[in-house]
Amino acid sequence: QVQLVQSGSELKMAGASVRVSCKASGYIFTSYRMNWVRQAPGQGLEWMGWINTNTGDPTYAEGFTGRFVFSLDTSVDTAYLQINGLQTEDSAKYYCARATREGDFDNWGQGTQVTVS
Amino acid sequence: EIVLTQSPGTLSLSPGERATLSCRASQTVSSRYSVWFYLAWYQQKPGQAPRLLIYGASSRAPGIPARFSGSGSGTDFTLTISRLESEDFAVYYCHQYGPSPPWTFGQGTKVEVK
Repeated sequence: QVQLVQSGSELKMAGASVRVSCKASGYIFTSYRMNWVRQAPGQGLEWMGWINTNTGDPTYAEGFTGRFVFSLDTSVDTAYLQINGLQTEDSAKYYCARATREGDFDNWGQGTQVTVS
Repeated sequence: EIVLTQSPGTLSLSPGERATLSCRASQTVSSRYSVWFYLAWYQQKPGQAPRLLIYGASSRAPGIPARFSGSGSGTDFTLTISRLESEDFAVYYCHQYGPSPPWTFGQGTKVEVK
């Protein structure tokens, strides 16, 4: 079955960097776009962007350019989200989500809590 | 950017009652060349990831009970839960994933026990 397993919680100081991983299994990794979604404490879902798992080309939503970097390692079927220059407002849960060919998000990782102090 | 507005913010109902959730888009979420609507609904319970319920405005995702149904077209969409069960009390989000990004979510509707 399809699974997206994310790395564990992170506690970082402001100004540091963090990398969140999302390991896929149960399907052909390069056949589906991977998206990233942020959820601040007590808030709704915010689409951050997506990465083409075939080409590695990322697309960032407004507000997620500059400090946010999407990348892949297709040899281990894993997508990564790196956040540089962490700010306290980056404290949130970050989800990876697979998009179907039509674009809906049919499978989600369990989420990674990033806390910035 | 297409803005999705969900209403109401909170819905207080009892088990067995019918829930009707609304999602209004600032512009159409259909394809120019077809009648396919790029609108999905997700359920999120505390501490869990969102779960896909409905895609294409009205198609149930695999494993989703028949009491969940989606409808609508153009800019107005509805998620209906015919008879609420205890496990249905959660937050529900609509999501548009049209042909071009950015893709957006509504702010959510919380269905709580009355």
